[in-house]
Amino acid sequence: QVQLVQSGAEVKKPGASVKVSCKASGYTFTSYHMHWVRQAPGQGLEWMGIINPSGGSTSYAQKFQGRVTMTRDTSTSTVYMELSSLRSEDTAVYYCARDRQQLGLSYGMDVWGQGTTVTVSS
Amino acid sequence: DIQMTQSPSSLSASVGDRVTITCQASKDISNYLNWYQQKPGKAPKLLIYDASNLETGVPSRFSGSGSGTDFTFTISSLQTEDIATYYCQQYDNLPLTFGGGTKVEIK
Repeated sequence: QVQLVQSGAEVKKPGASVKVSCKASGYTFTSYHMHWVRQAPGQGLEWMGIINPSGGSTSYAQKFQGRVTMTRDTSTSTVYMELSSLRSEDTAVYYCARDRQQLGLSYGMDVWGQGTTVTVSS
Repeated sequence: DIQMTQSPSSLSASVGDRVTITCQASKDISNYLNWYQQKPGKAPKLLIYDASNLETGVPSRFSGSGSGTDFTFTISSLQTEDIATYYCQQYDNLPLTFGGGTKVEIK
């Protein structure tokens, strides 16, 4: 079955970086774009950016430009999201989510990972 | 960025009731709107895409309508398993943006 499995919870100090992984299975990895969305405790959803696993091209929300890097490893069907210069406001659950359009973009997210909790605390 | 305003922020209804949630965009987004359901502690689930199209496997009691700046999401007959927070999301422009959410509870 189609699924996205994310890496485990992280605790980081302010100023550090975190790298979250998202391993895809059950479909052709390079045929679907992958989004990253985060959710602060008790808050709503915030889109961070998108990566095309086929060529590796990315588009980031302006808010995260310069701090976020999304990459992929086609040999393991895994995408990564690295966020640097962490601050307390980055404490959130981070989700990877597959775009629903095969070989294109719909900007709808039909398969989600289970989420990775990142806590930033001194 | 396009602002998405959902209302109400929360509601309480009885099983079997018709539930309606609205989502207003800060500019015309045509029909570039999705709706998601998020249950506590779980990832969101796509219910409606392109404002009115039901995602595969989603019960027909869920529906969406609207275009331009004003959109509606409806549960025709509320069930206990529908307890969740619902979000709209626009994709007319990057960055993708979500509404603030509507928490649906059982009365």
